[in-house]
Amino acid sequence: GAGVSQSPSNKVTEKGKDVELRCDPISGHTALYWYRQSLGQGLEFLIYFQGNSAPDKSGLPSDRFSAERTGGSVSTLTIQRTQQEDSAVYLCASSLNGGSLNYGYTFGSGTRLTVV
Amino acid sequence: GIQVEQSPPDLILQEGANSTLRCNFSDSVNNLQWFHQNPWGQLINLFYIPSGTKQNGRLSATTVATERYSLLYISSSQTTDSGVYFCAPNAGNMLTFGGGTRLMVKP
Repeated sequence: GAGVSQSPSNKVTEKGKDVELRCDPISGHTALYWYRQSLGQGLEFLIYFQGNSAPDKSGLPSDRFSAERTGGSVSTLTIQRTQQEDSAVYLCASSLNGGSLNYGYTFGSGTRLTVV
Repeated sequence: GIQVEQSPPDLILQEGANSTLRCNFSDSVNNLQWFHQNPWGQLINLFYIPSGTKQNGRLSATTVATERYSLLYISSSQTTDSGVYFCAPNAGNMLTFGGGTRLMVKP
């Protein structure tokens, strides 16, 4: 597509429920990133996918968080047993080549998650 | 990991004024981007600038990688420039974001 698409744009869930957030990167972009932005804060790295390589999961805050990327394209971020502190905007970005000197990130509009 | 400090944290300008935003980082980097987050939350890539100087209209950016800092210049500011400006250097697999500079341009 023309840009990075994320869905849903807003999600309200009850504490303890599982949620799935979707990211559809720009066609042809091999690198995909998930970040989290809490209210009034900067962006916190969560996970990075590059092609068929094993993902860099070093930013995931707990084992309740997981992500997958199917066929090198669409990615799903899953949060199990959601807690109130999980409330944030979850942002996805893609780039032509992760770590490349020549290409920048393009971000989606994000999913605003509210856990009540 | 790399540490990123942005200054000032908050800035209020009168429309038409110029400003300089600064980003200091703690390690050598192979990539650095500046982003503008508009009031609706969308992050817009302003510059990809691992070194040197680039200009785009009223905005320009300079990165001095050897001294580990980058500057974003905004000239003749407009109300539409309001929002948060993030610096994000890359020293590994991903960009690390600073805390941002929150800019408000008053008419």
